[in-house]
Amino acid sequence: DAGVIQSPRHEVTEMGQEVTLRCKPISGHDYLFWYRQTMMRGLELLIYFNNNVPIDDSGMPEDRFSAKMPNASFSTLKIQPSEPRDSAVYFCASSLGLAGVAGANVLTFGAGSRLTVL
Amino acid sequence: GQQLNQSPQSMFIQEGEDVSMNCTSSSIFNTWLWYKQDPGEGPVLLIALYKAGELTSNGRLTAQFGITRKDSFLNISASIPSDVGIYFCAGRFNDMRFGAGTRLTVKP
Repeated sequence: DAGVIQSPRHEVTEMGQEVTLRCKPISGHDYLFWYRQTMMRGLELLIYFNNNVPIDDSGMPEDRFSAKMPNASFSTLKIQPSEPRDSAVYFCASSLGLAGVAGANVLTFGAGSRLTVL
Repeated sequence: GQQLNQSPQSMFIQEGEDVSMNCTSSSIFNTWLWYKQDPGEGPVLLIALYKAGELTSNGRLTAQFGITRKDSFLNISASIPSDVGIYFCAGRFNDMRFGAGTRLTVKP
């Protein structure tokens, strides 16, 4: 398996533009997580899905952020309109379900998407 | 939400020295994990712990799941230059929360 695949790896955009980050989880994983990493706030959980359904989006900063998972192999995180304070590295991660089986609770991360909003 | 307190924030050690870092939480978890992150990469799993009291080793790394399920530690023995990086603890109950990280610098 190629692991969790994120795109783009780097994006530079201007304030007010729409940004779409993409993620392909590991095949067979039924949990998908979106995190944001900054120096000041560390790794923050934004939202996670189970079987394509959003379970907890309480970490999404504001209405400018939205995430979707139309099928088991694809998720997007959208920021519209983007602001300079959204500059961060955004990580997607996936895992198997919480069945109590060893290895099931382990998140595998993608390489991240570094977003810079000017 | 759950808060994880990880310490120390940073460590500067000499090659060959042992390292210890820990995490505490006000909430219980059913899984504790330790990750390492290199520059420009995502966090990579080092050790996963599933039972209270569990002590697990992975080469020079040893980690324990606290009896109260609210804490964990990671030890690295005989550090080498490639141990440099940021180490994160993580706790999972439903979602997964991360500590702020311990930045490790190893001087040759």
